Amino acid sequence: DTEVTQTPKHLVMGMTNKKSLKCEQHMGHRAMYWYKQKAKKPPELMFVYSYEKLSINESVPSRFSPECPNSSLLNLHLHALQPEDSALYLCASRRRSDREGEQFFGPGTRLTVL
Amino acid sequence: QQPVQSPQAVILREGEDAVINCSSSKALYSVHWYRQKHGEAPVFLMILLKGGEQKGHEKISASFNEKKQQSSLYLTASQLSYSGTYFCGTELGAGSYQLTFGKGTKLSVIP
Repeated sequence: DTEVTQTPKHLVMGMTNKKSLKCEQHMGHRAMYWYKQKAKKPPELMFVYSYEKLSINESVPSRFSPECPNSSLLNLHLHALQPEDSALYLCASRRRSDREGEQFFGPGTRLTVL
Repeated sequence: QQPVQSPQAVILREGEDAVINCSSSKALYSVHWYRQKHGEAPVFLMILLKGGEQKGHEKISASFNEKKQQSSLYLTASQLSYSGTYFCGTELGAGSYQLTFGKGTKLSVIP
């Protein structure tokens, strides 16, 4: 299984809503990532989890709250978002022990904040 | 620090070749290349490591010049399926497991 799955595929939410994005991989990868991608821009790193611990937080606003319940799952909790947070949210994973480890991306969740 | 990609965009006819460059002002540990089609996730193409060899499969290959801190992606005999935006992702240190992506190069292959 060489796949990263993400749910939901699309999400529309109001600025007062609370929602969560889910990411799952069963490749035994111990590095997992959240990226934000706006149209015609490169993926922008938000968070890195290494061995289920948050290792990097790229100064992301607190309205985004990541969680890694176990080595296969990664969540991103959303609360009080702004319209400018509308974007494609990508999850990725990578094997930490492999020098030439490929970083696999999930299909993404397209988020629209009204 | 974000790597610099060039060109920003290129249009090719089927069968033509293209080179996309990715350069950094900092010493790199690795360079990863991805292709992203509209509305889809980035797809891994290859990784170049510091001290490693040029990589390639089929008609896509890449090199890494450590002296210049520059990687180049070579697309030969382009096909319509090569269309998309190509991103390089650079990693500064061994074990950092953190990629910073360039702004991308939009490649359009026309019949």
